Order: sequence, then structure tokens, then C-alpha cells
Amino acid sequence: QKEVEQNSGPLSVPEGAIASLNCTYSDRGSQSFFWYRQYSGKSPELIMSIYSNGDKEDGRFTAQLNKASQYVSLLIRDSQPSDSATYLCAVNMPLAGNQFYFGTGTSLTVIP
Amino acid sequence: EAGVAQSPRYKIIEKRQSVAFWCNPISGHATLYWYQQILGQGPKLLIQFQNNGVVDDSQLPKDRFSAERLKGVDSTLKIQPAKLEDSAVYLCASSFRATGELFFGEGSRLTVL
Repeated sequence: QKEVEQNSGPLSVPEGAIASLNCTYSDRGSQSFFWYRQYSGKSPELIMSIYSNGDKEDGRFTAQLNKASQYVSLLIRDSQPSDSATYLCAVNMPLAGNQFYFGTGTSLTVIP
Repeated sequence: EAGVAQSPRYKIIEKRQSVAFWCNPISGHATLYWYQQILGQGPKLLIQFQNNGVVDDSQLPKDRFSAERLKGVDSTLKIQPAKLEDSAVYLCASSFRATGELFFGEGSRLTVL
């Protein structure tokens, strides 16, 4: 089992729709969870962090965490073409020296 | 505030040659990371420094990769000799603390022929 798993996609949604991106992780002791956005040919940039169970909202972005299910998700409301990118989930792994492991990313395309 | 600086942006070498990448983190950031990102994959941690000490290098192929962070500021990652499978983008990132909130440089794209 991979440490951090994401559906690679591609995920396509129409402009204005909600995009839902999912991530599961293997280490039950993980405490820190991050979503990074990576445009094609660019480096990742942090868009959300979440540490507690529940929802965290920041503008059009909502991160959701369920530690019991070892599941973290990112919702993008009112999706825009500029949201088209690869979204990377990163999780700390206490069993691996507390290093941050990235998933392979989900490619999102927002269709105008 | 200046971001993470990396150079060179692109490098093409033949297998068995050597290459070095340089990174200057954001001022004041004590933690520096080198990641390898192969096309279609997520970033893979190669080495993490806290100031000028190594925190984790468990995934660094030490027979061919080396990295140093002299004086706790900028860092160099070297590959010698390079293999075809080393073709990737090498990302440097820094953070104020080792919290996972990383700031990435633009990356150095390596092609090994």
C-alpha cells in the first residue's frame, strides 16, 4: 500500500461546478495534511493545510479531514478554468521519521 | 520577500556524467528539502536539512547522490555518475519550521541521455 494515495484522474468538471479531490493515507499517526497545486511545468504551491477533523474553508476551497477513515479531501467550489492543475496531497508520516509524503496528484481540468 | 532560488533551470547530460544543482532558500528558513519529481509522479523526498545538519536522507541514493548545506544557508545537490532514470525535476523547498508548509523553487529539470 502506498503511503499517500490519490486518484490520478484526469478529473474534468464544467466551469462553476464543484470539484472534489480525494486522498487516503496509510499512517494512523499522521497529524498534518496539506494540499498543493501544481500547474503544468511549474513547482507546487501550498493552498490549504488542515490538522483537525472536520472542515476548513478558505475562499472557494474547503479541506475535509476524517482521521478515523484516514481520508482527506479538497473541494473547489465555483470551479474556474484557472483551477486547472494537478493537486497534490501531502501527509506527515510519523512511522517514516515524520517526513512528508506526497501523493501522485490528481489532474483537474475545468471546462469553460 | 525573495522566494527559493534554484539553478540551473535546465540541464542535459549524458549518462555517467556528473551534474550539480544549487539552491538558496528563503531568508530565515532553517529547513531545506530536496525533492525528486519524475514526470507523472508526486515529489519524492531525497534529503532534509535543519540548518546545516541532515535530518533525513533515507531515500537518497548515496552511491551516486550527495548533498550539502554549508553554513546552514544555500545547498548543493550532486549526482555522479548520472543514470537514465535520474531524468526528473529536482525541486528545492524551504520552510521556517519543519511543519510541511513548504515553499518550492522553480525546479531544475535534468535530462540524462
